[in-house]
Amino acid sequence: EAQVTQNPRYLITVTGKKLTVTCSQNMNHEYMSWYRQDPGLGLRQIYYSMNVEVTDKGDVPEGYKVSRKEKRNFPLILESPSPNQTSLYFCASRTTFGRNYGYTFGSGTRLTVV
Amino acid sequence: GNSVTQMEGPVTLSEEAFLTINCTYTATGYPSLFWYVQYPGEGLQLLLKATKADDKGSNKGFEATYRKETTSFHLEKGSVQVSDSAVYFCALNTDKLIFGTGTRLQVFP
Repeated sequence: EAQVTQNPRYLITVTGKKLTVTCSQNMNHEYMSWYRQDPGLGLRQIYYSMNVEVTDKGDVPEGYKVSRKEKRNFPLILESPSPNQTSLYFCASRTTFGRNYGYTFGSGTRLTVV
Repeated sequence: GNSVTQMEGPVTLSEEAFLTINCTYTATGYPSLFWYVQYPGEGLQLLLKATKADDKGSNKGFEATYRKETTSFHLEKGSVQVSDSAVYFCALNTDKLIFGTGTRLQVFP
C-alpha cells in the first residue's frame, strides 16, 4: 500500500530534550515536506526537500532541522523543543514532476512540549 | 503572495442538507486547486482537485469548480451524511502547497 508513515503518533516531552520525528514513504517520491497544524492557522510548511541532500526552509523553520540522506526518509529534528512547538505535525510527499498531483500525507504526530 | 481564504466554521447541518464551503484564492500564475479532508484523528486525504480554469473536480458526491474569474473553488455536496463530518481544507499549488485555515463540518442525524 502506498503510504507515508510517521512515528511516533503521540509524544510528550520536556523543554530542551532533543527529539526526532521520523517520516518514511514507499512511493519513490522526490518531494517531501513537513507541516505543522495549529488551530485557526491551518497547515504551515516547516521544511521541504526536492530530492536527496536537497532541503529548504518553508514558512516556519525556526527551531527545526531536517535531513534527507535517503529518498524514502525525511526526519524532523527538534534540537531543543519549546512549548510553542506543541502542535500536530504532518509529513507529506509527492512526485516532483507535475504540481497537479496531490500530496500524500502521513497520519500525523501530536507533540506536546511541557 | 499566494494565499487561500476559507469560510470560518463550524458549519452545522442536518443529514441530507446541501453543503457549500466557500474558498477563494490569490495567486500569481496558474495554480492547481485542491480540497483535502481530515477525519477525526487522521491525516489529510485528497478529496478532489482541478488543474485549470473551468475544470470541475468531483469525488464521493462532492464537487468544486475552478472559477478563474472569481478566483474561487467552492466545495459543494447535494446531500451530506453524518460520515462527512470532518475538517475540510482548500489548498492551492504552484511551487508549493498553501492551505486555507480549514472549515469544520458537523452533520447531525
